[in-house]
Amino acid sequence: AQSVAQPEDQVNVAEGNPLTVKCTYSVSGNPYLFWYVQYPNRGLQFLLKYITGDNLVKGSYGFEAEFNKSQTSFHLKKPSALVSDSALYFCAVRESGYSTLTFGKGTMLLVSP
Amino acid sequence: GAVVSQHPSRVICKSGTSVKIECRSLDFQATTMFWYRQFPKQSLMLMATSNEGSKATYEQGVEKDKFLINHASLTLSTLTVTSAHPEDSSFYICSARDGREGLADTQYFGPGTRLTVL
Repeated sequence: AQSVAQPEDQVNVAEGNPLTVKCTYSVSGNPYLFWYVQYPNRGLQFLLKYITGDNLVKGSYGFEAEFNKSQTSFHLKKPSALVSDSALYFCAVRESGYSTLTFGKGTMLLVSP
Repeated sequence: GAVVSQHPSRVICKSGTSVKIECRSLDFQATTMFWYRQFPKQSLMLMATSNEGSKATYEQGVEKDKFLINHASLTLSTLTVTSAHPEDSSFYICSARDGREGLADTQYFGPGTRLTVL
């Protein structure tokens, strides 16, 4: 079985400061890991994914995520937050060989001016 | 990038009527599409997985006779909520897998449909 945990319901950060949104996962085999962002009353937008290779993955809008196999984590990061980054962020995992994504419960990111 | 559209974006209907939601992959062929339901401030709940040309696979607890899914082509899947009731009011989101990357392919999501049943 595959599962994802996002331990924070909400993350608050001031504009210009670095941000981290945490995600840990559990799978039996090799994980495919994804981050999505959702703005109010909208669908999910794909940010980035880790499949294999370099543990640091760069994605859209300046976001990046680091895959850490030993800690089974895939935290989302950005060096300098923008107010417009305020949204709901979902981490998701799909075990290789499976077709369905499992989502975390989401983390609301609030960036204050 | 891969784009998925959904129509309508918002629908209000009377209890007992049926509502059809369309999901289209605009610039890629999607052998697999997914339908999710999202309640306020909650994560996405997978309802069903549909493969082109075959019957959808429903998640446990999802009534297949109530939520009819048709995946008639590689770019179109439809969800029909039959005999809708107020408890069916929700935000429905579809997604499509871009199969060009094989096992590593990404799911792209539509903008969602807000269904309100009066």
